[in-house]
Amino acid sequence: AQKVTQAQTEISVVEKEDVTLDCVYETRDTTYYLFWYKQPPSGELVFLIRRNSFDEQNEISGRYSWNFQKSTSSFNFTITASQVVDSAVYFCALSERSNTGKLIFGQGTTLQVKP
Amino acid sequence: NAGVTQTPKFQVLKTGQSMTLQCAQDMNHEYMSWYRQDPGMGLRLIHYSVGAGITDQGEVPNGYNVSRSTTEDFPLRLLSAAPSQTSVYFCASSRGGIREGGYTFGSGTRLTVV
Repeated sequence: AQKVTQAQTEISVVEKEDVTLDCVYETRDTTYYLFWYKQPPSGELVFLIRRNSFDEQNEISGRYSWNFQKSTSSFNFTITASQVVDSAVYFCALSERSNTGKLIFGQGTTLQVKP
Repeated sequence: NAGVTQTPKFQVLKTGQSMTLQCAQDMNHEYMSWYRQDPGMGLRLIHYSVGAGITDQGEVPNGYNVSRSTTEDFPLRLLSAAPSQTSVYFCASSRGGIREGGYTFGSGTRLTVV
């Protein structure tokens, strides 16, 4: 069965702190894809990153970085030097190669960055 | 390039009424899907389609119907609205599933059933 778990329901930090959002997934496929989406207060879903199961290299994009570890089935997201504009709900999602029409989401983590 | 367009943005229905949520994309994407977002539950897949004429059920299909007569459109029909269907609905599309990139989401439809 496929499942995505984001155990952190809400996180509150002060601006400029680093923060890590956890994502743990379950899948039986050997080929799969992991995503992170951001949902700001305006409500739209913003694509942040896609990672396939064969690429375990960490990725950095500005203040954002992602740590993919197949050994622990985790795909964690770190924001360095957080800013108030980072306040949003963040979703981790999984899609399996065997059924790429389906995107399975975690419950989401609400991040509040206080000035 | 409009991307994924959902209409309406807001809707209030009475219990038992029917309605159709519209979703259209102009990117010639094969894959389209519908999700509902409820507090604390993330987004859950309702129905999806891998091409015109092909649809399948997702995690929470009961109470909803879909059809895919064209590549561009993927409407979601509520046959007899219930308060439990109060939610925010998102439509998404992708070229060839996720092999060629991520999913593009519409801006959402906020539905209230009273």
